[in-house]
Amino acid sequence: DAGVTQSPTHLIKTRGQQVTLRCSPKSGHDTVSWYQQALGQGPQFIFQYYEEEERQRGNFPDRFSGHQFPNYSSELNVNALLLGDSALYLCASSLTGRGIAETQYFGPGTRLLVL
Amino acid sequence: GQQVMQIPQYQHVQEGEDFTTYCNSSTTLSNIQWYKQRPGGHPVFLIQLVKSGEVKKQKRLTFQFGEAKKNSSLHITATQTTDVGTYFCAGLVIKAAGNKLTFGGGTRVLVKP
Repeated sequence: DAGVTQSPTHLIKTRGQQVTLRCSPKSGHDTVSWYQQALGQGPQFIFQYYEEEERQRGNFPDRFSGHQFPNYSSELNVNALLLGDSALYLCASSLTGRGIAETQYFGPGTRLLVL
Repeated sequence: GQQVMQIPQYQHVQEGEDFTTYCNSSTTLSNIQWYKQRPGGHPVFLIQLVKSGEVKKQKRLTFQFGEAKKNSSLHITATQTTDVGTYFCAGLVIKAAGNKLTFGGGTRVLVKP
């Protein structure tokens, strides 16, 4: 039973560039959430995808966008990168039960460095 | 918006001692989850508390959810070097539009042998 996988593991970009991060959820899960974790801080919620639509969004600018595919995998896109976007980007998957509390399982993360 | 605060931010513990970390939410929660993140790793789910006043134990770890479902605590007894890491609480709020998990800033635990 594969857990949550993310690619790439590490990435170096320069300011102004664009980046795409990928996530495959745990087998049987249908919901993907993305988090940004700056060094020494807790994960900050970016957005959540369910049924190929963005269902919830945190306080992140429109430069952050995403997509969910029919196989439940997901992408996070960040445009016009800023130095402050350097962080660990975590993907978490869960099973949506419409009002049932859900446990999220995190992937290993993608460590993004913007120079 | 919803905020989750954790104290202390850092916890230096002598091996064998006990300690407690606290978590407080600005809003009533549907549930509270606890995660552990080892240095260089990713958050790993430890436990979920759903009911008001609920207490759960995992070996040397005791988790408690407050009566008002706005606060929680994690108590570790007889601390070991394997307990090193950052412990995060995360409050879940269930809405019709979707569920949102808000993390606290974490308590970084260092164990002195």
